[in-house]
Amino acid sequence: DGGITQSPKYLFRKEGQNVTLSCEQNLNHDAMYWYRQDPGQGLRLIYYSQIVNDFQKGDIAEGYSVSREKKESFPLTVTSAQKNPTAFYLCASSMMLAGGYNEQFFGPGTRLTVL
Amino acid sequence: DAKTTQPNSMESNEEEPVHLPCNHSTISGTDYIHWYRQLPSQGPEYVIHGLTSNVNNRMASLAIAEDRKSSTLILHRATLRDAAVYYCIPSNNNNDMRFGAGTRLTVKP
Repeated sequence: DGGITQSPKYLFRKEGQNVTLSCEQNLNHDAMYWYRQDPGQGLRLIYYSQIVNDFQKGDIAEGYSVSREKKESFPLTVTSAQKNPTAFYLCASSMMLAGGYNEQFFGPGTRLTVL
Repeated sequence: DAKTTQPNSMESNEEEPVHLPCNHSTISGTDYIHWYRQLPSQGPEYVIHGLTSNVNNRMASLAIAEDRKSSTLILHRATLRDAAVYYCIPSNNNNDMRFGAGTRLTVKP
């Protein structure tokens, strides 16, 4: 089945450690996105990528890094510079149809807890 | 960015219709009105979108005011599975989708 996978579902790390969250899609979508969600809040955009080997900062990119070496994969690294990393992280993807509507498809999310 | 206002929460009884309102008075002429919903501990899922005309799909209907400053998502017969947070998002750019706090819908059996 086509879709977006994120792993792991739950992740625990000690303060000061970098951690990489995985996001893979087999929908052949060009664009991929990372969002962060804090309890009771909406989603905030961290990074997005519209094409392989290119990505752009979203609203809250500080303390995060990404790569897009393959169309299917868009891993997110939460670095030790991120002051409040504990959150629910969501990956999404969409097509890039010019002039058309591009629905975003979301993965199941990774809940990161930094102890 | 268009600012949106949605009720924090709403309740409905199972199998009754639900009308979820959204005010977006600063919407631009090229912004679509998107609705997504998020079930507990899951990623959001697309519900419906529209530009000017009312829209229907298998999940819901979207009623858009003539001046486009407000819209209403209509669930014709709420089920327990419809309990979720519903987000109203005016945008013309996938890279600028602002998911606010949304409306938490509770469906009572």
